[in-house]
Parts: sequence; C-alpha cells; structure tokens
Amino acid sequence: DAGVIQSPRHEVTEMGQEVTLRCKLISGHNSLFWYRQTMMRGLELLIYFNNNVPIDDSGMPEDRFSAKMPNASFSTLKIQPSEPRDSAVYFCASSATGSTGELFFGEGSRLTVL
Amino acid sequence: SQKIEQNSEALNIQEGKTATLTCNYTNYSPAYLQWYRQDPGRGPVFLLLIRENEKEKRKERLKVTFDTTLKQSLFHITASQPADSATYLCALDIFTGDKLTFGTGTRLAVRP
Repeated sequence: DAGVIQSPRHEVTEMGQEVTLRCKLISGHNSLFWYRQTMMRGLELLIYFNNNVPIDDSGMPEDRFSAKMPNASFSTLKIQPSEPRDSAVYFCASSATGSTGELFFGEGSRLTVL
Repeated sequence: SQKIEQNSEALNIQEGKTATLTCNYTNYSPAYLQWYRQDPGRGPVFLLLIRENEKEKRKERLKVTFDTTLKQSLFHITASQPADSATYLCALDIFTGDKLTFGTGTRLAVRP
C-alpha cells in the first residue's frame, strides 16, 4: 500500500487566496484526521472523520477553515481566505481503528501564506 | 491546566548508550499512550502503544513504561545509534475513548 498521500507538498500563496489541501487515505481505513504543526504549538488536531462523517471539529480555528470527505478514501481541507498566521505544516492521518488507535500520517503539506 | 509535557531541550547522547525520554501529563486519565518518531520534513511514524493496565512494553531496542500514578511514561532506546536521531512525540487520549493529543516532542541526537 502507498500509505497516506497528501498534496501539494509545498504551497506558497498570498494572503486572501484560497488554499486547498488534499489527502488520500490508506485503503480500508475508516478514520481520517487533519492536524496542523507549528514550532510554537506542536501538533494540533483540527478535525476528524469516522466513516466519512465529521465527528469532532472543535480544533478548527475559525470559519475560514472547512474540511470535507466526499468519499471513503479522499478528503480536502480548505482555507478561505488564507492569512499569514495559517502558515504551518498540515498533516493528514488515517486509522483503521477509530479515534484511539495507531495513526498513519502522510508526509504533510507545508503552507506559507505571504 | 491540562497538558502533556515533554522535555523541550534536545537530548544529546553517545552512540551505544541508552536514551531515556519522558512524557508527563496532568489532569488526564488516559486509557493508553502512544509514542511516535518524526524525522525532519516527514510525518510522524507510530512506534509503540501501551495501555493503562500495562506497566511496560518492549519492541526490539525500544521500551516504554507507563505509570498512571505518577502520570508519566518513559521511552527508552537501548544501544542507541546515530540513525535513532529524530524527534520523539508522545500522544494520549485526554480521557478514555477521546481522540489523540500530542506532546510537543523531544529531539534526540545520537553522536557517533
């Protein structure tokens, strides 16, 4: 299996632009997590889905952030409009055992908002 | 306040020695605790999971202990190698069945 696949690996954009990050889960996994990592705050959970249904989005910073899971194998995280403080590495992770099991992370999408 | 603490300072050790990393938490009652390894520019990789009713778990050169009274987990790498150099993250569920919350990680540097 190819593992969790994220795209793009790097994104540089200007403040106010829309950013869409993409994630493909490991086949057979039923839980999907979006994390954000910064030096100051470490890894923070933004939202997680179980069987395509958002379970907990309490970590989503504000309405500018939205996440979807249109099918069992794919998810997007959208930021609109983007701001410089959104600059971070965004990780997607999947799990076969729900919210409390081993997580398989992608390689991350490094976002820089100028 | 509720938090997960890992040493923010890097741990530097000589090759062949045992590296010991700590993870302390407050005000949580986790059912389990996990350890991950993260290399620069990469995503975290799962290493070990230990449950609240387990005192110790081993995997090759790795050993994890979990003391729910002290609210602490220790992560040991025996016979350390330069290839073990990375950042190590602990993660736990804040309360039983909740989602994983990560510590900020400790960077380990093993010098030849």
